[in-house]
Amino acid sequence: AQTVTQSQPEMSVQEAETVTLSCTYDTSESDYYLFWYKQPPSRQMILVIRQEAYKQQNATENRFSVNFQKAAKSFSLKISDSQLGDAAMYFCAWGNEKLTFGTGTRLTIIP
Amino acid sequence: DAGVIQSPRHEVTEMGQEVTLRCKPISGHNSLFWYRQTMMRGLELLIYFNNNVPIDDSGMPEDRFSAKMPNASFSTLKIQPSEPRDSAVYFCASRDRQGWNTEAFFGQGTRLTVV
Repeated sequence: AQTVTQSQPEMSVQEAETVTLSCTYDTSESDYYLFWYKQPPSRQMILVIRQEAYKQQNATENRFSVNFQKAAKSFSLKISDSQLGDAAMYFCAWGNEKLTFGTGTRLTIIP
Repeated sequence: DAGVIQSPRHEVTEMGQEVTLRCKPISGHNSLFWYRQTMMRGLELLIYFNNNVPIDDSGMPEDRFSAKMPNASFSTLKIQPSEPRDSAVYFCASRDRQGWNTEAFFGQGTRLTVV
């Protein structure tokens, strides 16, 4: 079975600074994808970024980027120039046919 | 498209009562997932369907939980009888199964409180 571990229940960062959220996973599969989802207080789940496991190049989406280390089974999310609107729960997910999520990291932005 | 639609948004029920949560996936999506979110366990996958067929229900906590998908546009998650420990937010999500990199779209969730 696949497992996803987010070891930081809570993180905080000063506005405009950079923060990195950690995620590790365990799988015996060779073909899969990885995702980061954001859940603001509205409860809506929003896709932030995705990474194909077969690609060595790290995915980027504007201020969001990942550090994907396949051998280490690590998939961290870096948020640059943090903004107040980035405050949310962030979930890491592993997926092929189904999606397995971690327990989440609550990110607080300090003005 | 209106997105994934779940009803009700909130449900308060007494212990022992039957609860039915409903989900309408995005038209054209052929995978549907039910998740339960709690503070302690995060998002747990309860069951998922491909083309209306249940594929993996290993996450269903016990026999009190059941899920159906009678057609491509409707699914239900039923708890009978409900218990206070079932209190959580239940999410339905749908996805186009053509590619594993496709995004899963979530509904707004149903907050269930069992008293």
